[in-house]
Amino acid sequence: DQQVKQNSPSLSVQEGRISILNCDYTNSMFDYFLWYKKYPAEGPTFLISISSIKDKNEDGRFTVFLNKSAKHLSLHIVPSQPGDSAVYFCAASAYKSFGNEKLTFGTGTRLTIIP
Amino acid sequence: DAGITQSPRHKVTETGTPVTLRCHQTENHRYMYWYRQDPGHGLRLIHYSYGVKDTDKGEVSDGYSVSRSKTEDFLLTLESATSSQTSVYFCAISRTGVNTEAFFGQGTRLTVV
Repeated sequence: DQQVKQNSPSLSVQEGRISILNCDYTNSMFDYFLWYKKYPAEGPTFLISISSIKDKNEDGRFTVFLNKSAKHLSLHIVPSQPGDSAVYFCAASAYKSFGNEKLTFGTGTRLTIIP
Repeated sequence: DAGITQSPRHKVTETGTPVTLRCHQTENHRYMYWYRQDPGHGLRLIHYSYGVKDTDKGEVSDGYSVSRSKTEDFLLTLESATSSQTSVYFCAISRTGVNTEAFFGQGTRLTVV
């Protein structure tokens, strides 16, 4: 049962354009969401997060949008740069009950920025 | 960078042998996690720890055990390695476990032949 889903395994975007990565979740208890970026042969690195009390969080070129009613979040990268080429993982956690202090990850989307 | 060290970084082992992977942190974070990464599955939680001697299972815990005798060390043991456990293993740490990010180590590539 995949509680966090990234339905696009790969995405190619021209340099300078907007990259939009999508993520859907099924567990209504999730209330904190994160995006991680992963380069080959390295561990994932934290990119940006959003709490369920917000619908948008912005950090430089990266913006995460949360639509709780649709159980959907997206990561926007503007403008896209060659160094953004990586695998992006969406993750979620549920705060409200003990035993849920862990992240559930999606399957990842490989983003390729075309120069 | 968060102070997380995984050892070994690469290992090849034979089916049926026990294997132990080590995660060491210098951040004094309470929570530690072991994930495995496989194509088409993303990152899946094996076990996690919320304190010394306090551990719990993740979604893919069968065939794995963990121990945490000190805050800084979290060991993952494959009791009897199988080819299905060939994977990249990541350790992660988190200060509070909730509403905060986890920091990952560099990973251990394990091949079971």
